[in-house]
Amino acid sequence: GENVEQHPSTLSVQEGDSAVIKCTYSDSASNYFPWYKQELGKGPQLIIDIRSNVGEKKDQRIAVTLNKTAKHFSLHITETQPEDSAVYFCAASLLARFAGGTSYGKLTFGQGTILTVHP
Amino acid sequence: DARVTQTPRHKVTEMGQEVTMRCQPILGHNTVFWYRQTMMQGLELLAYFRNRAPLDDSGMPKDRFSAEMPDATLATLKIQPSEPRDSAVYFCASGHTRDRGAEQYFGPGTRLTVT
Repeated sequence: GENVEQHPSTLSVQEGDSAVIKCTYSDSASNYFPWYKQELGKGPQLIIDIRSNVGEKKDQRIAVTLNKTAKHFSLHITETQPEDSAVYFCAASLLARFAGGTSYGKLTFGQGTILTVHP
Repeated sequence: DARVTQTPRHKVTEMGQEVTMRCQPILGHNTVFWYRQTMMQGLELLAYFRNRAPLDDSGMPKDRFSAEMPDATLATLKIQPSEPRDSAVYFCASGHTRDRGAEQYFGPGTRLTVT
């Protein structure tokens, strides 16, 4: 089955700095890579995702890059703010198309990164 | 503001008791997922339903756990009998197969403590 490794486990940055979290996956068939942010006492919230036919995707201060050959993908947060402090999870999955839509593959999550942004 | 709801939010019970957790997926969503989160194991998929049919429950201990969708607006996860090692936060998530992005929307979770 799929195995996802996430690093670092904790990350501390000053407000305004950039933060980078990296993940590697084992199954070369995986084609969908979402990132989730989890705040204390809440469920994970999808913040950005990327599919294997794209190398990079940006959404304001957040970007994700994917290297299919090396089987790794990264989350980049620029101009960090204290409200970015949370636990971030990467995940990998195989999505398949069928006539009625898209079939969800099993999401395998990384172990999480605790990001702390100091004011 | 459509969101996944879960009840109860917190549950403390004694070993051997039955526990039932409930989830209301976002209206119109046709996929439902149950996850368990612990410090040691992280986020693990327990079960996955599409159009109320179970498609994958390989992550669920079959002898004590069961998951059902009595109707499109309710998913349940039951543990009988509960054990201390079941203590965790249980999340429900929902989505729709028509969504190209395949997003899963998580509920707030049920924090289960088995003493």
